[in-house]
Amino acid sequence: GNSVTQMEGPVTLSEEAFLTINCTYTATGYPSLFWYVQYPGEGLQLLLKATKADDKGSNKGFEATYRKETTSFHLEKGSVQVSDSAVYFCALSLPFSSGSARQLTFGSGTQLTVLP
Amino acid sequence: EAGVVQSPRYKIIEKKQPVAFWCNPISGHNTLYWYLQNLGQGPELLIRYENEEAVDDSQLPKDRFSAERLKGVDSTLKIQPAELGDSAVYLCASSLRSGPNTEAFFGQGTRLTVV
Repeated sequence: GNSVTQMEGPVTLSEEAFLTINCTYTATGYPSLFWYVQYPGEGLQLLLKATKADDKGSNKGFEATYRKETTSFHLEKGSVQVSDSAVYFCALSLPFSSGSARQLTFGSGTQLTVLP
Repeated sequence: EAGVVQSPRYKIIEKKQPVAFWCNPISGHNTLYWYLQNLGQGPELLIRYENEEAVDDSQLPKDRFSAERLKGVDSTLKIQPAELGDSAVYLCASSLRSGPNTEAFFGQGTRLTVV
């Protein structure tokens, strides 16, 4: 079956530190890959995505590259800010067997806390 | 543009009582999802609607859970009777049914506590 494995948290960093959150996946077929972020008290928001191998998704200083050979989609940011404190979810999607909507399979999430 | 709206945000009930959650998706989004998010876990799909039709409800515990999406817009998710293990966050999401913009947009969720 399809699954996503994320680096376990919580992760605590000082402001301006480098961030890496590891994500690997198992999937049949060719998934699209996503990072969602959940700020305190808010719903999940799409942070970035990549739809095919070697694509790089980027947004708000975050980046992740779709690595088919290692089945990975690690999230990175060069200099984190206090406002980046949130829970980060890696996810994949594959087409449903019926219809064109795509089913999301999520990892368990990684809590990031950035200290000033 | 308004996002996905869910209500209530929080709900505390005693076990064996019924409870219902409501979701209003983004206008024009034909696909609606209900997800269950347990503490410290990622969301898991409960049911997916294409317009008013439930096309994937394989993960919905049908003995106590039910859902409906009348007129293919708003949706309600019901639990009757609730059990202690149902305490979780219930997320609603919506997406365009076809085309490249199949990104799912999530509501803030309803946090259910069963005591």
